Amino acid sequence: ETGVTQSPTHLIKTRGQQVTLRCSSQSGHNTVSWYQQALGQGPQFIFQYYREEENGRGNFPPRFSGLQFPNYSSELNVNALELDDSALYLCASSFDRTYGYTFGSGTRLTVV
Amino acid sequence: ILNVEQSPQSLHVQEGDSTNFTCSFPSSNFYALHWYRWETAKSPEALFVMTLNGDEKKKGRISATLNTKEGYSYLYIKGSQPEDSATYLCALLNDAGGTSYGKLTFGQGTILTVHP
Repeated sequence: ETGVTQSPTHLIKTRGQQVTLRCSSQSGHNTVSWYQQALGQGPQFIFQYYREEENGRGNFPPRFSGLQFPNYSSELNVNALELDDSALYLCASSFDRTYGYTFGSGTRLTVV
Repeated sequence: ILNVEQSPQSLHVQEGDSTNFTCSFPSSNFYALHWYRWETAKSPEALFVMTLNGDEKKKGRISATLNTKEGYSYLYIKGSQPEDSATYLCALLNDAGGTSYGKLTFGQGTILTVHP
């Protein structure tokens, strides 16, 4: 087991640009979720992928999109970045909901 | 919509003190309650997953209880140590059913600082 790794750890982008964040899930975990944590808040659910299909989405606009690949990696894409998108983005994977999720350490995105 | 509240927001204790914090929620309509410990610059680490009313879980000096009827969960730390300093997050996993494992709805967390 190698856990969940996210890249990059930090990123600075300009308003209006597009960004791709990457996550490598724990081997065997067929479910991956992405969360956004703004300052002073708990993580907020963005969306979830199960076997490469999106099967759940939180209250985020369509400019937030994702992909999950057969090798347990996934991406979060954000288009037309806004200042409020500045946050810590967490990736979490799981293979069974009776267990806790395995989280990465996050990507800190700053939009200027 | 699940609303998860944690209290206190932050807590400072001395090494050796025992402490506890609360996670409260208005509805029992969820599949499981998760507790995570999140140390600075690290990943949130799963502590407990509880599903049944009356569940009690223990891991070393840390334990948790769940009361779904009254809508709360307690996390206890016995004999706090400086390495227990972290943010403790409570989250509800919604009961999505089928192959959809559902989303976690997090509280804001309790920041624990244990002073030597």
